[in-house]
Amino acid sequence: DGGITQSPKYLFRKEGQNVTLSCEQNLNHDAMYWYRQDPGQGLRLIYYSQIVNDFQKGDIAEGYSVSREKKESFPLTVTSAQKNPTAFYLCASRFVNTGELFFGEGSRLTVL
Amino acid sequence: SQQGEEDPQALSIQEGENATMNCSYKTSINNLQWYRQNSGRGLVHLILIRSNEREKHSGRLRVTLDTSKKSSSLLITASRAADTASYFCATETGNQFYFGTGTSLTVIP
Repeated sequence: DGGITQSPKYLFRKEGQNVTLSCEQNLNHDAMYWYRQDPGQGLRLIYYSQIVNDFQKGDIAEGYSVSREKKESFPLTVTSAQKNPTAFYLCASRFVNTGELFFGEGSRLTVL
Repeated sequence: SQQGEEDPQALSIQEGENATMNCSYKTSINNLQWYRQNSGRGLVHLILIRSNEREKHSGRLRVTLDTSKKSSSLLITASRAADTASYFCATETGNQFYFGTGTSLTVIP
């Protein structure tokens, strides 16, 4: 079935460690997005990419990095520079210049 | 921040009643969308309304848009227990989406 797959669903990290969250889509979408969601709050944009090998910072990019080497994949690395990384991370994708976003099921990162 | 805001933050109704939630935003938009999120899950797209539209229907959903007031409302008619979720509005400006803070809806059977 077509969709967006995020992994892992749950991740625990010690302070000072980098972690990478995976996002893969088989919808042939051009654009991919990473959002962060904190409890009781809306989604905040971390990074987005419209085409392969190109990406732009969102509102809260500090402490995060991404790559877009393949159309299907948009991994997010949470670096040790991110001061408060515990959150729910959501990946989304869509065709450029069309309407709706399709979301993965999310990855919950907890820093111990 | 360009985040919108939903009102109310939380809403509790009886099954069969209608639920109305509102969204206000800050900038000019291409379109406004509503999404639903069940607890601990990803978001699911419900409906999109373009900036030149005033009202749109989809099944039990009715969305209105007032660009002069920078506001939108989502009406869910004849609510069901399965409608219990958080609902978010999202505005699209350029190629970026800005999400509101969400309304948590509880439908009591």
